[in-house]
Order: sequence, then C-alpha cells, then structure tokens
Amino acid sequence: QKEVEQNSGPLSVPEGAIASLNCTYSDQGSQSFFWYRQYSGKSPELIMFIYSNGDKEDGRFTAQLNKASQYVSLLIRDSQPSDSATYLCASRQSREYGNKLVFGAGTILRVKS
Amino acid sequence: DAGITQSPRHKVTETGTPVTLRCHQTENHRYMYWYRQDPGHGLRLIHYSYGVKDTDKGEVSDGYSVSRSKTEDFLLTLESATSSQTSVYFCAISESDKNYGYTFGSGTRLTVV
Repeated sequence: QKEVEQNSGPLSVPEGAIASLNCTYSDQGSQSFFWYRQYSGKSPELIMFIYSNGDKEDGRFTAQLNKASQYVSLLIRDSQPSDSATYLCASRQSREYGNKLVFGAGTILRVKS
Repeated sequence: DAGITQSPRHKVTETGTPVTLRCHQTENHRYMYWYRQDPGHGLRLIHYSYGVKDTDKGEVSDGYSVSRSKTEDFLLTLESATSSQTSVYFCAISESDKNYGYTFGSGTRLTVV
C-alpha cells in the first residue's frame, strides 16, 4: 500500500508566525506532490504542487521537496486566522496507475489571533 | 477554473435502496475520480475513469459501481446502501496544467438511515 503520512495535529501557531506542515511518503516512484487546503464543510482546494527537489514559492506559501528523504513540507509565512483549515498532502502515482493521487489524512492548522 | 458539479448536494436514503450520485464536468477532461471522506480515514478512492466506458476500481470499491457513457458525466451508484456508506463523496477531475492535480466538486453528503 502506497502511503502518505501526516501528523494530524492540531498545529497551533500565533498570527504572523510561520506554520510548518510536514508529510512523508512511501512510494519512491512518486514524482509529483500536492498540498490542498480544506475548510470545514468544504471541498479540498489545491494550493501548490511540486515535482523538483528544493523549494517552490507562491506568495506566502513555500513547498519543499526532498526526494532522498521522501519528505514534503509546506511553510505558510505570516499566518492569518483565515489560514485555519485542514491541510492535505498528496502524491501522484504514474499514468499507468491512472494518475491517481494518494492523500494523507491531513493536518489541522489553527492560527490564533 | 474547470467547471465540475456534483448532484445532489445532500441526500438521506434508507438502508437497502440504490442511490446514484452524479458528477458533471464542462471541459472534456479525460480522468475523473470518486472519493469518499470519513473522519479518521481521510480521502479514499472508490473508482476512477480514464475515458468513456473505461473505469477501474480504487481501494474501497466494494458496494459501489460507476458508469461513464459520456466524457462529461461520471456516475457513482451504491447498489444497496448500507449505514457504513454514510459519508461525504467527492468527485474530482485531473488537470494537466496543474501537473495532473485534482479539482474537486463541492461534494455530496449522503446519510443512510
């Protein structure tokens, strides 16, 4: 079973701080990784994807990938109360397996004002 | 953004009855997926489709069937609903310009009584 593991949290950070969300994956064949944000009662929303080792930045969000360690992270700078949500990490299987995404169970983030 | 709609948004049904959920997309995407989301289990793949009449099972397919007779529609049927199928069901499409990450529909909250 190809797995994606996340700490369920909740992770609590004060407003304005950096929130660091982490994820590990077991399938060495996975090439692409995704971070989704899901507010309570809503559907998951894609924040970022990354497929190269290193960092990828988009506004206040930075995704980091380390394929040797099979580790993916998401940093949220200047955290806001509106960032409070569940964050889902996912890895993508190859096309021969239907481009399927395997999701972690999610980390709950709480940003306190 | 891709147009993807699910219907119905909410449904209550009785044990033993068949139920069909509909997913409709407007942009001719090849890959479509049905997931269920439950507390403690995260998002789990039920079935997916890689083209008209081309479908395959996911990790929790027992008790479910799917059909895709047109590119835009992907139907999920619970053949004889059970209380264990009470869940939130999400349809998703895979978009090449997002590295084949998913865009999700708004979800269907199904309660089996």
